[in-house]
Amino acid sequence: NAGVTQTPKFRVLKTGQSMTLLCAQDMNHEYMYWYRQDPGMGLRLIHYSVGEGTTAKGEVPDGYNVSRLKKQNFLLGLESAAPSQTSVYFCASSLLLGDEQYFGPGTRLTVT
Amino acid sequence: DQQVKQNSPSLSVQEGRISILNCDYTNSMFDYFLWYKKYPAEGPTFLISISSIKDKNEDGRFTVFLNKSAKHLSLHIVPSQPGDSAVYFCAARIGGSNYKLTFGKGTLLTVNP
Repeated sequence: NAGVTQTPKFRVLKTGQSMTLLCAQDMNHEYMYWYRQDPGMGLRLIHYSVGEGTTAKGEVPDGYNVSRLKKQNFLLGLESAAPSQTSVYFCASSLLLGDEQYFGPGTRLTVT
Repeated sequence: DQQVKQNSPSLSVQEGRISILNCDYTNSMFDYFLWYKKYPAEGPTFLISISSIKDKNEDGRFTVFLNKSAKHLSLHIVPSQPGDSAVYFCAARIGGSNYKLTFGKGTLLTVNP
């Protein structure tokens, strides 16, 4: 039981490049979330999903897109990376709505 | 507008002593509170939670106290151990169908041997 895994762990992008972050969970959780964490800030919700095929905007969605084609996977896409998107990205999942969330190890992204 | 505030960026305590981490909130609609612990280069892990209908919840060395009138909660760790050194995040949730957790900025706890 791996819990929540994230790929890749580290990535450096140039401004304007695109990439996709992959999150996978093996706990059969319905709900999945993408957060970003910046220095001196708490975690801020980017997008979330309440089930396969559904996504919704969180607190800071601009510049990101997501997809949940399979229940166990939640993808976060950056179409045109900007330096302001330099951050650590965490994926999380939960069994029930509003339940405690289980987090992945994070992806450290640097945009130059 | 920061609805969940952890005003102490850091805290240092001696091994064996009590650690008290504080969290204040402004939104009276919050009805469920959680504490997460985060080690460097790892994701946050759930530690303990408390519902607004309670004023205390205990799990081993960890106790969370909630003072609704003051909109304040605290996490007590007794006795503190070096392995408790981590960043602690307070989070709060509005009840009903709301999924969203609002996080504080975190407090770095250092437990010195």
